[in-house]
Amino acid sequence: DSGVTQTPKHLITATGQRVTLRCSPRSGDLSVYWYQQSLDQGLQFLIQYYNGEERAKGNILERFSAQQFPDLHSELNLSSLELGDSALYFCASTLGVMNTEAFFGQGTRLTVV
Amino acid sequence: ELKVEQNPLFLSMQEGKNYTIYCNYSTTSDRLYWYRQDPGKSLESLFVLLSNGAVKQEGRLMASLDTKARLSTLHITAAVHDLSATYFCAVDLGLNTGNQFYFGTGTSLTVIP
Repeated sequence: DSGVTQTPKHLITATGQRVTLRCSPRSGDLSVYWYQQSLDQGLQFLIQYYNGEERAKGNILERFSAQQFPDLHSELNLSSLELGDSALYFCASTLGVMNTEAFFGQGTRLTVV
Repeated sequence: ELKVEQNPLFLSMQEGKNYTIYCNYSTTSDRLYWYRQDPGKSLESLFVLLSNGAVKQEGRLMASLDTKARLSTLHITAAVHDLSATYFCAVDLGLNTGNQFYFGTGTSLTVIP
């Protein structure tokens, strides 16, 4: 158990809908990263938050947004969902900005039908 | 953009044999990580390599980093079935880029009895 908790584990929704994925980092970790894993794109970095502030942005679509709350949990919001958004979404956390190791949650498997 | 390439993509090997997985990356970095992923599961940290010439070993796995060649290797010694999984290398470019990981394509390893 990495100590990073993601909910829900599975999500099935229809095209055009909006969903929210939640991540609780390891106790004491200030940075949260979101990654998307799909068969065609592999593992791709989406966005990073550090202590409530956006720190880095990757290949995140405009339809997607995220935030990190004062208690350090993070949410990834996906809207106007398309079939191609079906993927495994991972959250990872590190102690600080200058990490040496990231710990990954179990992921949320999103299926858009 | 940083490119991270792994080879082979698929590896089928017999128990007891040795093999090496290669990870090449396109931009200077001295921070490389190896992760293991079982089907449908999260990513488990295996090795963190933070300097040129770094070598780490855990059980039947040994990882090394040559930053001049922009190459890391993951060597498997006397493979056993339990090592069957997908192995990813990941590179980060340090503080200025937020430390997000750029993942390789993954190597799917199957160890045959």
